[in-house]
Amino acid sequence: GAVVSQHPSWVICKSGTSVKIECRSLDFQATTMFWYRQFPKQSLMLMATSNEGSKATYEQGVEKDKFLINHASLTLSTLTVTSAHPEDSSFYICSARDGGPGTEAFFGQGTRLTVV
Amino acid sequence: SQQGEEDPQALSIQEGENATMNCSYKTSINNLQWYRQNSGRGLVHLILIRSNEREKHSGRLRVTLDTSKKSSSLLITASRAADTASYFCATGFNQAGTALIFGKGTTLSVSS
Repeated sequence: GAVVSQHPSWVICKSGTSVKIECRSLDFQATTMFWYRQFPKQSLMLMATSNEGSKATYEQGVEKDKFLINHASLTLSTLTVTSAHPEDSSFYICSARDGGPGTEAFFGQGTRLTVV
Repeated sequence: SQQGEEDPQALSIQEGENATMNCSYKTSINNLQWYRQNSGRGLVHLILIRSNEREKHSGRLRVTLDTSKKSSSLLITASRAADTASYFCATGFNQAGTALIFGKGTTLSVSS
């Protein structure tokens, strides 16, 4: 199957700093990528849909200014957690498809963010 | 919002036993997908079953779909310790109709 690479796998940062997470589709082009957040022992919650060349679409309750998404190319989307706080500590996972809705989605390995 | 609800939330079995997980959903679907997640890792796609299919097999996995009951089951036969993971069904999409929405998941522990 297609490969989605996410970097870094884990990151520890201080409160008030910003952290950037990258999501790359390695062997296919993805006009759309998705960012999820997962708390321990819980399911994945969709945060936003990243659209190449245009603004991201955020789910209700997700702060746009807090979670900046940039999709500058067909193979790269980035999520920047700005002015991070301990409550932003979570597991962030990106996803992409090489087809339309209803096709298999491929996931990155996730990024464990810890804000201290 | 979440569409699928898996049960049980947690399941512990011995190696060699079969594991059955269920997923119920609320609205009509075109297909249903099952994913697996090892602890602290991303998701791996297991199987997709379309709304006009009733059963599908892949290796030791068997998925059934009952659209009249809005439910699906994932059966893992002859389980192994390596099957220990969380399993999620994905049944719905967000409002834009593009992103998968996941159920709460079943955590499976297989002991040797």
